[in-house]
Amino acid sequence: DAGITQSPRHKVTETGTPVTLRCHQTENHRYMYWYRQDPGHGLRLIHYSYGVKDTDKGEVSDGYSVSRSKTEDFLLTLESATSSQTSVYFCAISSSPRSSYNEQFFGPGTRLTVL
Amino acid sequence: QKEVEQNSGPLSVPEGAIASLNCTYSDRGSQSFFWYRQYSGKSPELIMSIYSNGDKEDGRFTAQLNKASQYVSLLIRDSQPSDSATYLCAVSSARQLTFGSGTQLTVLP
Repeated sequence: DAGITQSPRHKVTETGTPVTLRCHQTENHRYMYWYRQDPGHGLRLIHYSYGVKDTDKGEVSDGYSVSRSKTEDFLLTLESATSSQTSVYFCAISSSPRSSYNEQFFGPGTRLTVL
Repeated sequence: QKEVEQNSGPLSVPEGAIASLNCTYSDRGSQSFFWYRQYSGKSPELIMSIYSNGDKEDGRFTAQLNKASQYVSLLIRDSQPSDSATYLCAVSSARQLTFGSGTQLTVLP
């Protein structure tokens, strides 16, 4: 998994509780991404980061926030989890120096269930 | 909105046959194109990247790109049961990837 770990790997939580997922990389790559994967929707971008403290929204950012205080860590927070956020969450990294390349490599994923 | 369309399948081929997977995209500004393989319960794995029109071969895999037709394909020659997986097409524009919903491939022994 290209030196990427995600924690936790599985989590069950209740509606209304805050949840933080962590992505950690050992590759020193500049770009990091958070996706969610749902049946029938494929992979959808939530947020991404292009450097420490530099983040931007993706296609499905509502209800999510992110932070990146170190190159190696990218955190995804659900401020108040809802059942619609039940999903598999993947982190990805990219080091391509040119935006036209943008090869991305994925972590193992976190399966989140919101009851 | 950028869209990437794939035949959802499932696609079944006999062992040793050629599997053909297709993908179309809507954003003409797209710059790079990828195929990922995803086994059930696992994360996507990058298997092919293609950046210019034409064919790119890597072992049993050939990616084909036609920007004028906004079409990308993946051919898998001599298909093996271990190729059974979901194949995701991804298109890059402005450092963001847009994924298709995937094609499920089954290779029958």
